Amino acid sequence: GAVVSQHPSRVICKSGTSVKIECRSLDFQATTMFWYRQFPKKSLMLMATSNEGSKATYEQGVEKDKFLINHASLTLSTLTVTSAHPEDSSFYICSALARTSGRRNEQFFGPGTRLTVL
Amino acid sequence: DQQVKQNSPSLSVQEGRISILNCDYTNSMFDYFLWYKKYPAEGPTFLISISSIKDKNEDGRFTVFLNKSAKHLSLHIVPSQPGDSAVYFCAAYTGTASKLTFGTGTRLQVTL
Repeated sequence: GAVVSQHPSRVICKSGTSVKIECRSLDFQATTMFWYRQFPKKSLMLMATSNEGSKATYEQGVEKDKFLINHASLTLSTLTVTSAHPEDSSFYICSALARTSGRRNEQFFGPGTRLTVL
Repeated sequence: DQQVKQNSPSLSVQEGRISILNCDYTNSMFDYFLWYKKYPAEGPTFLISISSIKDKNEDGRFTVFLNKSAKHLSLHIVPSQPGDSAVYFCAAYTGTASKLTFGTGTRLQVTL
């Protein structure tokens, strides 16, 4: 299957700083990428849909000024958590949409990034 | 508003036996369903899917059943193996939308 990478895999930062997480599709081009957040023992919650060359679409309740998304190329989307606070600590996962033969578009997930804000 | 629910947060099954994971949904517009397997600190990996025009799809040890009238799907794993121990999420698509709605997950533990 298609490979999606995330960097960094783990980050610890101080409250008030900004953190950037990268999501790359390694062997395919993705016009659409998604950013999810997972709280401990909870479901994956879609935060936003990132489309290459246009503004991201945020889900209800997600602060777009706090979670900045940039999809500058067909293989890279970035999520920047601005002025991070301890409540932003979570597991962030991206996925990239790829067209698979005979089926609708399929999402391939990255390995996730564990963010801890002190 | 949890549109996809997995009411069993955990399940323990003996190796070799059948594991049955259940999922219920409320949105009748969902027309394509998927099961994902997830290990801690990793992203989900796709297992198996089913279109709403079918009621069963099988792939090796994994079979997914869909009951549209009951808005219920289930994943059967037989025989269960220790390596199947993970959290399983069901997810659903609506029409041409590419957005996935995930269930709450079920942690499967396969014991020796």
